[in-house]
Amino acid sequence: QVQLVQSGAEVKKPGASVKVSCKASGYTFTSYGFNWVRQAPGQGLEWMGRITTYNGNTKYSQKVQGRLTMTTDTSTSTAYMELRDLRSDDTALYFCARDPFPGHYWGQGTLVTVSS
Amino acid sequence: QSVLTQPPSASGTPGQRVTISCSGSSSNIGTNYVYWYQQFPGTAPKLLISGDNQRPSGVPDRFSGSKSGTSASLAISGLRSEDEADYHCAAWDDSLSGPVVFGGGTKLTVL
Repeated sequence: QVQLVQSGAEVKKPGASVKVSCKASGYTFTSYGFNWVRQAPGQGLEWMGRITTYNGNTKYSQKVQGRLTMTTDTSTSTAYMELRDLRSDDTALYFCARDPFPGHYWGQGTLVTVSS
Repeated sequence: QSVLTQPPSASGTPGQRVTISCSGSSSNIGTNYVYWYQQFPGTAPKLLISGDNQRPSGVPDRFSGSKSGTSASLAISGLRSEDEADYHCAAWDDSLSGPVVFGGGTKLTVL
């Protein structure tokens, strides 16, 4: 069965970077792309970007463009999301979600807290 | 500020039918499919409805989706206590807001 397992919670200071991983299993990794979605406390969901696994093409939301980098490692079937220059309003639960999107397959979420 | 507009809260009593609305525009709901998710606190969203009104396998037929113009609705009939959760709508968007936009979520309380 398809499983997406994300890395653990992170606490970062403003201006730092965070890298969250999403390890996939149960299917052929290069057959589907990944999306990253975040949810600030008490808020709705926000699409951040998408990466195509077979060629690494990316598309980012305008809100995080310039601070966000998505990558994949096909040797370990893992997708990564790195967000730089963190601000307090980046505090959120971050999810990876496999294509087709919007769809069934989501990671369990990684809480990123930005606090001085 | 979410691109799609949902009421922040809704409520009903067990057995009742409740509806949750989702309002968008011609660049999203007006021309693309709508999706609905159910989410419990601290967990990942679960897909309830895809393609405006299609229930994935395993989703009870108490849940149904509909769309008219630039608005969509999720209906839950025979309300149960376990339906108390947050509900989110989503749609592809053809403008610079996209490609996928979400509503702000609706907290459903079963009284």
